[in-house]
Amino acid sequence: AQTVTQSQPEMSVQEAETVTLSCTYDTSESDYYLFWYKQPPSRQMILVIRQEAYKQQNATENRFSVNFQKAAKSFSLKISDSQLGDAAMYFCAFFTSGTYKYIFGTGTRLKVLA
Amino acid sequence: DAMVIQNPRYQVTQFGKPVTLSCSQTLNHNVMYWYQQKSSQAPKLLFHYYDKDFNNEADTPDNFQSRRPNTSFCFLDIRSPGLGDAAMYLCATTRFGGGYEQYFGPGTRLTVT
Repeated sequence: AQTVTQSQPEMSVQEAETVTLSCTYDTSESDYYLFWYKQPPSRQMILVIRQEAYKQQNATENRFSVNFQKAAKSFSLKISDSQLGDAAMYFCAFFTSGTYKYIFGTGTRLKVLA
Repeated sequence: DAMVIQNPRYQVTQFGKPVTLSCSQTLNHNVMYWYQQKSSQAPKLLFHYYDKDFNNEADTPDNFQSRRPNTSFCFLDIRSPGLGDAAMYLCATTRFGGGYEQYFGPGTRLTVT
């Protein structure tokens, strides 16, 4: 069975600084997808970034990038030039098309300090 | 804009009184999910539909039922809500063969009194 682990329940970052959120996972699958979702307080869950396991290149979306280490089963999220609007709960998620189910980590609450 | 809509956004029900939450989508996605999310926790999958194929999680209480009458709509029925069922209920969709990202609705916050 797949598992997703986020070992940082809470992180803080100064505005304009860079922060990295950690995620590790365990699977025997070779073909899968990894996601980071953002859930601001009392607001909708939205996709931040996606990584296909078969792609070696790390995904990037503006200020958000990932460090995908397939052999180590690690998928960290880097947020550059942090903004107050980045404050949210961040969930790492794993998906395979075999089950069509997403496995979520326990989340990391990110605080952005002005 | 294409989206996932959940109604109502807030629902208050009495202990033991049946309640139905609804979800609709304009994305034409063939996979729909219901999650339960309690404060500061990860979403917990209750069910998912692949087209009309219903998939129930082994630990989803029998008290929870779901219906998907067509591609666009999905309902969550809680037959006899208990205090422990108070939570945010999230509906989400994805498309077979797409990028597999999930699109979430805003959620329905259920309060049980």
